[in-house]
Amino acid sequence: QSALTQPASVSGSPGQSITISCTGTSSDVGSFNLVSWYQQHPGKAPKLMTYEVSKRPSGVSNRFSGSKSGNTASLTISGLQAEDEADYYCCSYAGSDRVLFGGGTKLTVL
Amino acid sequence: QVHLQESGPGLVKPSETLSLTCTVSGGSVSTTSYYWGWFRQPPGKGLEWIGTIYEAVSTFYNPSLKSRVTISADTSKNELSLRLSSVTAADTALYYCARELRGAAAGVNADSWGQGTLVTVSS
Repeated sequence: QSALTQPASVSGSPGQSITISCTGTSSDVGSFNLVSWYQQHPGKAPKLMTYEVSKRPSGVSNRFSGSKSGNTASLTISGLQAEDEADYYCCSYAGSDRVLFGGGTKLTVL
Repeated sequence: QVHLQESGPGLVKPSETLSLTCTVSGGSVSTTSYYWGWFRQPPGKGLEWIGTIYEAVSTFYNPSLKSRVTISADTSKNELSLRLSSVTAADTALYYCARELRGAAAGVNADSWGQGTLVTVSS
C-alpha cells in the first residue's frame, strides 16, 4: 500500500503559522474522518497531536489544528515556537484494517 | 498516567522469530476503554502500524504483516507481547508499544507511547 504524501520539509519563523499537507486518495483520507497527526522530536517517541481530523488530545496546545478537504488533510500550527521544530507524520485509516502513514515532514523554525 | 516499557533482544538472526514484551503500568491491558498497539520505525524512516489488541483477546493486524505477526496479552502480568516470525533485514526497526484511543479504527490514534526498543536483524 502507498504511503500518504507529505512535503519533505517546511519552515517558518517564530510567531508565524505554517500548514503541513497530507495527500491521500478517495480510498483513505477521502473516505474516512480518521486522520491523525503525530509530532516526533529526535530520539523521542511520537506524540499524538490531533485525531479524527480535528480533535485534540488533552494537553495538546490549541495552536495545533487539523482539517481535511477531499483527499487532503492538513495540520496547521499557529504562533510557531522553537519547541515545535520536529518531524510530523500524518496517519489515515484506509479500510479493511489498513493504516497508512505519511513519509514525514521536517519542520524547521527559523 | 500510563507508562509503557518495551523489552526484548536487540539482535535477531534472519529467519528467526522476534519476540518483544511491553510492560504496562498505570493502566490495564484488559480495559474496555483503550486499545493497545505495536508500531515500528526503521532507522531514519517513517512509522508503520503492526497490530492492535483490545480487551486482552481480540486483535487487528496490518494485512501486510498478518501472516507473520502474533500479538497477545498477559493479564496477570499486565503485559503485551509481540511475535514476528521469519524476520529479514527489512524488519530492523525501533519497535514501540502504545495505548490507542478506542474508536472506529485501530492503529490510528495512539496517545501514549513507550520509549521504543531497537531490534536489528543480522547474522
